Amino acid sequence: IVMTQSPATLSVSPGERGTLSCRASQSVSSNLAWYQQKPGQAPRLLMYGASTRATDIPARFSGSGSGTEFTLTISSLQSEDFAVYYCQHYNNWPPVFTFGPGTKVDIK
Amino acid sequence: QVQLQESGPGLVKPSETLSLTCTVSGGPISGYYWNWIRHPPGKGLEWIAYIHSSGSSNYNPSLKSRVTISMDASKKQVSLNLSSVTAADTAVYFCARGISVPGLFDPWGQGTLVTVSS
Repeated sequence: IVMTQSPATLSVSPGERGTLSCRASQSVSSNLAWYQQKPGQAPRLLMYGASTRATDIPARFSGSGSGTEFTLTISSLQSEDFAVYYCQHYNNWPPVFTFGPGTKVDIK
Repeated sequence: QVQLQESGPGLVKPSETLSLTCTVSGGPISGYYWNWIRHPPGKGLEWIAYIHSSGSSNYNPSLKSRVTISMDASKKQVSLNLSSVTAADTAVYFCARGISVPGLFDPWGQGTLVTVSS
């Protein structure tokens, strides 16, 4: 399963809304996760099941979609949200877990 | 909370075997899936393999012929061996716990950079 993300870079002003897209080459049902990675840090789980926030993730992050089309929305970007965001499927079949290429969210 | 720490040589020669260890602290190793993932410079994240505390394992077919994953539960360590390395294996290597299902990764270790060069 090939994961694609758009846009590659999203330039947003603090306080604005950011919308990131992820597409799977075949249905992954709701077995879709989002991760945030800041420079020099490990990725952090943000969202799983396409729309469930992981522990301690602020409510300004929301996820939607199922099948092949998914969206991560950041309702009001804070300074700490500028990072790279990856989507990843975790379908058990085939049991090869693939990531999208990432969307870099930077300051406009 | 659970913390993962990768360790191993930062430089490996071409054709040799890359060996890394992930040490788990702050939580149990049993009952979970333990994964290795890598991030080559300028490229995307690539899942390598997982092992469960029961002993079951699964590998990325693209690397399967060169990869071995193992676990020492008494030491709370998970190891990765990647044989016959080339420059294409240069990457930051992460270990990550699989929660509820093998491919849902949380948390991750900080990662360790391995460079393949003579």
